Amino acid sequence: DAGITQSPRHKVTETGTPVTLRCHQTENHRYMYWYRQDPGHGLRLIHYSYGVKDTDKGEVSDGYSVSRSKTEDFLLTLESATSSQTSVYFCAISESQGTGNEKLFFGSGTQLSVL
Amino acid sequence: ILNVEQSPQSLHVQEGDSTNFTCSFPSSNFYALHWYRWETAKSPEALFVMTLNGDEKKKGRISATLNTKEGYSYLYIKGSQPEDSATYLCAFMGDSNYQLIWGAGTKLIIKP
Repeated sequence: DAGITQSPRHKVTETGTPVTLRCHQTENHRYMYWYRQDPGHGLRLIHYSYGVKDTDKGEVSDGYSVSRSKTEDFLLTLESATSSQTSVYFCAISESQGTGNEKLFFGSGTQLSVL
Repeated sequence: ILNVEQSPQSLHVQEGDSTNFTCSFPSSNFYALHWYRWETAKSPEALFVMTLNGDEKKKGRISATLNTKEGYSYLYIKGSQPEDSATYLCAFMGDSNYQLIWGAGTKLIIKP
């Protein structure tokens, strides 16, 4: 398995509280991604990073922020969690982008429930 | 809005039978098409990354074809086994921003 660790694996929180999910990689890959996966939907990109302190929004970025202060860590923050953010969150990494061979490696996922 | 469609949504197949399913994607601005296998309680794992029209890739009993001009890819599984039970995801990458747009997946269940 690619060295990707997501924490926590499960979290239950209340509406309005801040939540931070962590993704840690040991592969030294440049690109890191946060996706959410909901029933009936494909994986949807929240934010991604193309280097330390270099991040960009995905298709469902509202309500989320990210930070990447080190190559190995990519944090996803829900500033004020809402029930619509109940989902499974996946972190992924890739070595490159736009080269035609950039398959993604995924973490184990975080099940987040916002009550 | 870019759309990636997978069909069928779910599929029950008898052990030993062969099967296939479809991924439809935009036929313009094509860059790459990815296939992943996602087993329950595990992470998605890459099967194939396909970039050339007419490309055909194979991994054991699983193979995939690609038609970029008409915007579809087929995934074939020959002689299905119980361990093939999983959700199979495809994802389209366009050449405008190189981000993956994912289909909702085909859930394959192999009946012993």
